[in-house]
Amino acid sequence: ETGVTQSPTHLIKTRGQQVTLRCSSQSGHNTVSWYQQALGQGPQFIFQYYREEENGRGNFPPRFSGLQFPNYSSELNVNALELDDSALYLCASSLELYNEQFFGPGTRLTVL
Amino acid sequence: AQSVTQLDSQVPVFEEAPVELRCNYSSSVSVYLFWYVQYPNQGLQLLLKYLSGSTLVESINGFEAEFNKSQTSFHLRKPSVHISDTAEYFCAALMDSSYKLIFGSGTRLLVRP
Repeated sequence: ETGVTQSPTHLIKTRGQQVTLRCSSQSGHNTVSWYQQALGQGPQFIFQYYREEENGRGNFPPRFSGLQFPNYSSELNVNALELDDSALYLCASSLELYNEQFFGPGTRLTVL
Repeated sequence: AQSVTQLDSQVPVFEEAPVELRCNYSSSVSVYLFWYVQYPNQGLQLLLKYLSGSTLVESINGFEAEFNKSQTSFHLRKPSVHISDTAEYFCAALMDSSYKLIFGSGTRLLVRP
């Protein structure tokens, strides 16, 4: 059974650019959640997708957007990057809503 | 507001000594609780979980946590730690049927020889 995978592993962007991060959920999982983990902090919930629909959102501006595809993989898009967007972005999938979440290895984004 | 608190940012301990990492959550009607471990430059791995039933839950590598509803706590314990247990530990909760997994700020366990 393949776990949650994320790509790319690392990414360096400059302020104002746009970025797309990708996540493949664990086999059979229909729910994907995205988290931002700044250095030295706990992960913060960005949003969640359930069966291709956004199911909920944390306190992040609209320039953070996402998609979930029919195969339940997902993308996180961030527009107009700011220095404070530098963080580890974690994707997690679960079998259904309210189930335990399994995390991918993360994408380390650095904004210069 | 829903919250999870880990008061200890770092816990240094000698190898083979016992350890307790503290976690408290804001009072809620229903709660699912989790402990995740994060090794350097890696994602989060689920260590153990409380969903219902027995209030004492155990992991395969010797950690255990006890759900205490009256204290709104879910402290993580291990009777004898190893060097390899050095990592960041995060407590997390799903509260009141919310879809948001709320994390504490993490506790760095530093095991010294």
